Amino acid sequence: LAKTTQPISMDSYEGQEVNITCSHNNIATNDYITWYQQFPSQGPRFIIQGYKTKVTNEVASLFIPADRKSSTLSLPRVSLSDTAVYYCLVAQGGADGLTFGKGTHLIIQP
Amino acid sequence: SAVISQKPSRDICQRGTSLTIQCQVDSQVTMMFWYRQQPGQSLTLIATANQGSEATYESGFVIDKFPISRPNLTFSTLTVSNMSPEDSSIYLCSSDTVKKGTVIEQFFGPGTRLTVL
Repeated sequence: LAKTTQPISMDSYEGQEVNITCSHNNIATNDYITWYQQFPSQGPRFIIQGYKTKVTNEVASLFIPADRKSSTLSLPRVSLSDTAVYYCLVAQGGADGLTFGKGTHLIIQP
Repeated sequence: SAVISQKPSRDICQRGTSLTIQCQVDSQVTMMFWYRQQPGQSLTLIATANQGSEATYESGFVIDKFPISRPNLTFSTLTVSNMSPEDSSIYLCSSDTVKKGTVIEQFFGPGTRLTVL
């Protein structure tokens, strides 16, 4: 399974755009890139998923360069409630359990 | 989407005892997964629970310590046996990959916070 590397922590302020980059140099052809969000005392929650180029949904954008060796999660105009741990995962999306890296602790300040 | 509930939400147990955690999914799913999240750490996959067959355990986890049942397509249990303080963690279950159009995701339960004294 491809290993991922993310910053351990990040700080930002309300209203700012936050970009979290993840490295996955050994990503396989069949792997998707998925980001999960976890609040304290809750299970992880799916945010966004992509294979290549750019994906946007109602909460975030995901930028994936052509070589797919990294990806960037972009959170527009963050609020205090976006304080959470964000996990980048690469997996084929089959019937397998997920391998979580250490995640990025994002702290949003007023 | 799948909604997953777990019981109990938390428990405090004495060392040497066992605790069974229940996981209920609101729809039929092929695979269910059990994870452990130690304090301040990321999630680690314990095992994959298949209906009608033995669970498949990841390296470092054994059936004698973490027996798993999967009696039907909506329910699974994880037992933490002969507990020690090192077993104090959050235990989470998830459902197998759910495809929504082109999106593939897993859904997680809220977790069971276990404290062993």
